[in-house]
Amino acid sequence: GAGVSQSPSNKVTEKGKDVELRCDPISGHTALYWYRQSLGQGLEFLIYFQGNSAPDKSGLPSDRFSAERTGGSVSTLTIQRTQQEDSAVYLCASSLEAPSVGTEAFFGQGTRLTVV
Amino acid sequence: AQSVAQPEDQVNVAEGNPLTVKCTYSVSGNPYLFWYVQYPNRGLQFLLKYITGDNLVKGSYGFEAEFNKSQTSFHLKKPSALVSDSALYFCAVRDSYGQNFVFGPGTRLSVLP
Repeated sequence: GAGVSQSPSNKVTEKGKDVELRCDPISGHTALYWYRQSLGQGLEFLIYFQGNSAPDKSGLPSDRFSAERTGGSVSTLTIQRTQQEDSAVYLCASSLEAPSVGTEAFFGQGTRLTVV
Repeated sequence: AQSVAQPEDQVNVAEGNPLTVKCTYSVSGNPYLFWYVQYPNRGLQFLLKYITGDNLVKGSYGFEAEFNKSQTSFHLKKPSALVSDSALYFCAVRDSYGQNFVFGPGTRLSVLP
């Protein structure tokens, strides 16, 4: 596709259940980011993948959160034992890093997660 | 560590008047600066960026931004606001070492008819 694709667009889950959020980046983009946005608020960095380097996981809020990126393309963000405070919009972005880190990131439409 | 400040939560401006949305930053080394806009229930859309060169950069929808190194600022401007410009605006920075994008808290712009 032409842009970053995220699925599902909406997810309602019960407290304590695990959820998986998927991100398909723009083809050829080597960098992929996950952010979290609470209602009407700013973006909270979660994790950053760049090529074959070890991901920057410094933004993950707890060990219930994990992410992987298979084959340098699709990424899955997993939240285990969801809590109500996990409710937010989860945004994925990708960018073309090489040869410069000055390229902009392109965002998906986000996954709205509601934990009830 | 990188950081971005957007000192105004909300900016109100009348249609046809010039608008400014403020952004200041802190980063090690040379900054790469970005502005994004978010419409309701949508992802972020890229507006413009400063990498190097001219301090005044022009972007989408008639927006421009001025990089001021001494004041560590990158304010977003538009000469004549439209009601359709009403949205949430985010400033972002990353350093030349290629770390993640750090976003400001956002400024809600309301353009009144």
